Amino acid sequence: GQQLNQSPQSMFIQEGEDVSMNCTSSSIFNTWLWYKQEPGEGPVLLIALYKAGELTSNGRLTAQFGITRKDSFLNISASIPSDVGIYFCAGLPLQGAQKLVFGQGTRLTINP
Amino acid sequence: DARVTQTPRHKVTEMGQEVTMRCQPILGHNTVFWYRQTMMQGLELLAYFRNRAPLDDSGMPKDRFSAEMPDATLATLKIQPSEPRDSAVYFCASGTGGWKTQYFGPGTRLLVL
Repeated sequence: GQQLNQSPQSMFIQEGEDVSMNCTSSSIFNTWLWYKQEPGEGPVLLIALYKAGELTSNGRLTAQFGITRKDSFLNISASIPSDVGIYFCAGLPLQGAQKLVFGQGTRLTINP
Repeated sequence: DARVTQTPRHKVTEMGQEVTMRCQPILGHNTVFWYRQTMMQGLELLAYFRNRAPLDDSGMPKDRFSAEMPDATLATLKIQPSEPRDSAVYFCASGTGGWKTQYFGPGTRLLVL
């Protein structure tokens, strides 16, 4: 089935730094979603993308739907301590079973 | 503030025992998803329902797992018999039909000894 490769697996940064993470696949996706999960909680949707090239922001977060439709990117600007958590990408494949596929997650740790 | 609720939050059981996890979707939501999260496999979709009817349960081991929606306010996921490899966090999510509109519950952390 389709797989999403999310990188990096973990990041250790200083407060105030910008963060970039991405998700890639060998398959084409027609929807990309980015979630954040905090300890003991379920994932919370941050940004949804529906068109190739689409760039969408949610506060300090910006996500892009890759032009090839096989990747997506999430950037966090000027990180703050509450950004700590695990960020997941998820995609809905164009072909095959219409089910959401999740990346393995990027664990973000911030040093104050 | 409407939320998906899941019970129990934690469950420790012995191999071979039956486990039942419950989910109360947000009132008015007609779609319910069950996911399993492990370190090795990440988040996997097990099953989902729309208007209480199962649409897809291909992600679920059929021999031991079953998912039902007895009514619009309750979804259940049952494992019988449970095995150590079933240890994971099980999430329920509810929504209004689209994949974007999924609100996750806090999960049930299951440990099978």
